[in-house]
Amino acid sequence: AQTVTQSQPEMSVQEAETVTLSCTYDTSESDYYLFWYKQPPSRQMILVIRQEAYKQQNATENRFSVNFQKAAKSFSLKISDSQLGDAAMYFCAYRRRYSGNTPLVFGKGTRLSVIA
Amino acid sequence: DVKVTQSSRYLVKRTGEKVFLECVQDMDHENMFWYRQDPGLGLRLIYFSYDVKMKEKGDIPEGYSVSREKKERFSLILESASTNQTSMYLCASSTENYGYTFGSGTRLTVV
Repeated sequence: AQTVTQSQPEMSVQEAETVTLSCTYDTSESDYYLFWYKQPPSRQMILVIRQEAYKQQNATENRFSVNFQKAAKSFSLKISDSQLGDAAMYFCAYRRRYSGNTPLVFGKGTRLSVIA
Repeated sequence: DVKVTQSSRYLVKRTGEKVFLECVQDMDHENMFWYRQDPGLGLRLIYFSYDVKMKEKGDIPEGYSVSREKKERFSLILESASTNQTSMYLCASSTENYGYTFGSGTRLTVV
């Protein structure tokens, strides 16, 4: 079974600085998707970034980028120029491609605090 | 703007009550999911559905059931609520090869 591990339960960053959240996963599949979700205190979980495993290029969305290391099964999220609104729980997730209706597998989350 | 709507943000119920949590999506998604979220445990899958009237057990289905009579609606039922079911409940929907769209969650307290 696939597993997703986020080894940092909590992290903090100074406003305007850069922070990297770690995620590793375990799978025997070669084709899959990886996601980072953000859950602010308001609770609505929103998609931050999505990576397709067959793509070499790391995904980026504005200040958010990933470092996808397929051989190492690592998928870290980098937040640049951190803002107070980035404070949230962040969840890493995995889904096998062409899996039909297979649910996402989530990590346990990392709580990010942003210090003004 | 596409949406997953959960009918209540906060609910307080008594032990032994039958509780219905409703979730509606307007994206014509095939798949719908119910999770509960607890501190330190992350998101745990209760049930999911990939079609009308179809359901699959997740990791923690005990004490819960679900209903999906229409494509857009997926209901979670607590047959006899207990205090250990006090939690945040999240509904989500998706198409086959993408991520989820989540609802805003229901904070259920069983007293």
